[in-house]
Amino acid sequence: AQSVTQLGSHVSVSEGALVLLRCNYSSSVPPYLFWYVQYPNQGLQLLLKYTSAATLVKGINGFEAEFKKSETSFHLTKPSAHMSDAAEYFCAVSSFGNEKLTFGTGTRLTIIP
Amino acid sequence: DSGVTQTPKHLITATGQRVTLRCSPRSGDLSVYWYQQSLDQGLQFLIQYYNGEERAKGNILERFSAQQFPDLHSELNLSSLELGDSALYFCASSGLAGGTDTQYFGPGTRLTVL
Repeated sequence: AQSVTQLGSHVSVSEGALVLLRCNYSSSVPPYLFWYVQYPNQGLQLLLKYTSAATLVKGINGFEAEFKKSETSFHLTKPSAHMSDAAEYFCAVSSFGNEKLTFGTGTRLTIIP
Repeated sequence: DSGVTQTPKHLITATGQRVTLRCSPRSGDLSVYWYQQSLDQGLQFLIQYYNGEERAKGNILERFSAQQFPDLHSELNLSSLELGDSALYFCASSGLAGGTDTQYFGPGTRLTVL
């Protein structure tokens, strides 16, 4: 069975500050890992994905994530937060890429002006 | 815009009723997935279809059923509705165009059961 743990259901950062959203996974097989963002009253938009290629993955809107097998982590970062980054972020794992996604509980990111 | 469309956007109905949610995948995508997002359960996988065949089942209630048609659109049928079925229902698709390992999500159908 696979699972994802997102530490911190709410994270607040000041505009221009570093964004760090934490995700730890559990998987018995090499995982496929994803970060999705959900803006209010909208669907899920893919930010980035890890599929066993480069461990540092760059995504849209300046976000990136690093796969660390030794720490079973896939934390999402952005060097400088913008007001438009305020949203809910979900980390997800799947086993073979074309199978179901198992989501974390989400982290709501608030940007302080 | 992910290219996945879902109708209707909102649905309000009463307990005991039956509803049908519709999903059109991205052009060329053969896999369709259904997820439920609720406050108490979070995002949960319900069911997956691949080219018309059921491929995987998750936490889908017996009162719920789905199918994928020859034109690859999918429908999720929810019957004997209960208050607890109120949730956001997402459809996602994957395929060769965007990579079989990546699911693209529709905007969702918000179901309210009164």
